[in-house]
Amino acid sequence: DVKVTQSSRYLVKRTGEKVFLECVQDMDHENMFWYRQDPGLGLRLIYFSYDVKMKEKGDIPEGYSVSREKKERFSLILESASTNQTSMYLCASSSGPIFGQYFGPGTRLTVL
Amino acid sequence: ILNVEQSPQSLHVQEGDSTNFTCSFPSSNFYALHWYRWETAKSPEALFVMTLNGDEKKKGRISATLNTKEGYSYLYIKGSQPEDSATYLCAFISGNQFYFGTGTSLTVIP
Repeated sequence: DVKVTQSSRYLVKRTGEKVFLECVQDMDHENMFWYRQDPGLGLRLIYFSYDVKMKEKGDIPEGYSVSREKKERFSLILESASTNQTSMYLCASSSGPIFGQYFGPGTRLTVL
Repeated sequence: ILNVEQSPQSLHVQEGDSTNFTCSFPSSNFYALHWYRWETAKSPEALFVMTLNGDEKKKGRISATLNTKEGYSYLYIKGSQPEDSATYLCAFISGNQFYFGTGTSLTVIP
């Protein structure tokens, strides 16, 4: 079974803190994605990566950065967390755009 | 940012009813369309990946069709069961970008 794991299910941080969300996949997928999900807005793509050390901006990259040093690991970084970044964050991986994505369980981040 | 619309937003049906929902997307620069099922407290799971105009896919009681020229896809559920209750998401892929709709929330009443 494909497995995508995320480092935390729930996280509470303070405004201004640096936050790291980690995602690991075990299927040797080239493509990895970070989304946020907010009520009424659906899933919105923050960043994706199609190879190690490669990254592309999605719809809403502002306030976020990413790191992909190894194929299996894709990290989302909030350099200085703000309250409007309180959300559910989902990581996903796939072999390519004509293949379905496999999602992790999500991290519910609250920024106080 | 491209607009991907799903309708209806929510739907309540009786067990045994058949139902369908729509995903509308831009008719240009189409690469692929995905359908996902997202059950409460779980992660979204891929149902179908569709790439060709006229594509029809089927998995058990669930099927989907694709019209890339007019920019829509239908998802059908035949004989709905309570375990079909979930949010159904479509994702439009253009170039290397993914655009998700806001989903259709289906509740099947026993």
